[in-house]
Amino acid sequence: ETGVTQSPTHLIKTRGQQVTLRCSSQSGHNTVSWYQQALGQGPQFIFQYYREEENGRGNFPPRFSGLQFPNYSSELNVNALELDDSALYLCASSTGGSVVQYFGPGTRLTVT
Amino acid sequence: GQQVMQIPQYQHVQEGEDFTTYCNSSTTLSNIQWYKQRPGGHPVFLIQLVKSGEVKKQKRLTFQFGEAKKNSSLHITATQTTDVGTYFCALDQTGANNLFFGTGTRLTVIP
Repeated sequence: ETGVTQSPTHLIKTRGQQVTLRCSSQSGHNTVSWYQQALGQGPQFIFQYYREEENGRGNFPPRFSGLQFPNYSSELNVNALELDDSALYLCASSTGGSVVQYFGPGTRLTVT
Repeated sequence: GQQVMQIPQYQHVQEGEDFTTYCNSSTTLSNIQWYKQRPGGHPVFLIQLVKSGEVKKQKRLTFQFGEAKKNSSLHITATQTTDVGTYFCALDQTGANNLFFGTGTRLTVIP
């Protein structure tokens, strides 16, 4: 196990609602990245946080936003949920100098 | 933009047979990583390759990085049912400290 935890495990939301997903990084890791993994596809990079600042963003609209806290834990917020947002959301932590990602178990989001 | 093709998309093998998945990039890579994702699980880091022509082994798994650093392969010798899962190659996007994942190869091992 990586030591990266995510909550909740599963979530069902209705289109148009907002959701917050949480992640605690592995001890000693100051960088958190979020990925979206649709069924049958590889993870897609959403954004990364390093020392509480956004440090890179993938091709996702502004309704995907995030935070990182002083203890390096992180939140992913998605506003105005759409059906296509249904996916596994993965949090990964790393040290600032390494690209190797250690993934948490993920949050399975279903939008109906 | 970054393009990476991973083949095959699916592979079914009898237990004990060998398995290979290939990852091909349109651009020269600084390094490449391999991850395994079990059904219902999350990606787990396997290895990172950095040097041109590099070959690394982990028990029955052999990883290679091409001489031109544009392709890589993962070979599993004598597959076991515990090898079941999807194998992804992943590229770090230069200067971005994040990963671009390939499409993955889903391996099924028939006992």
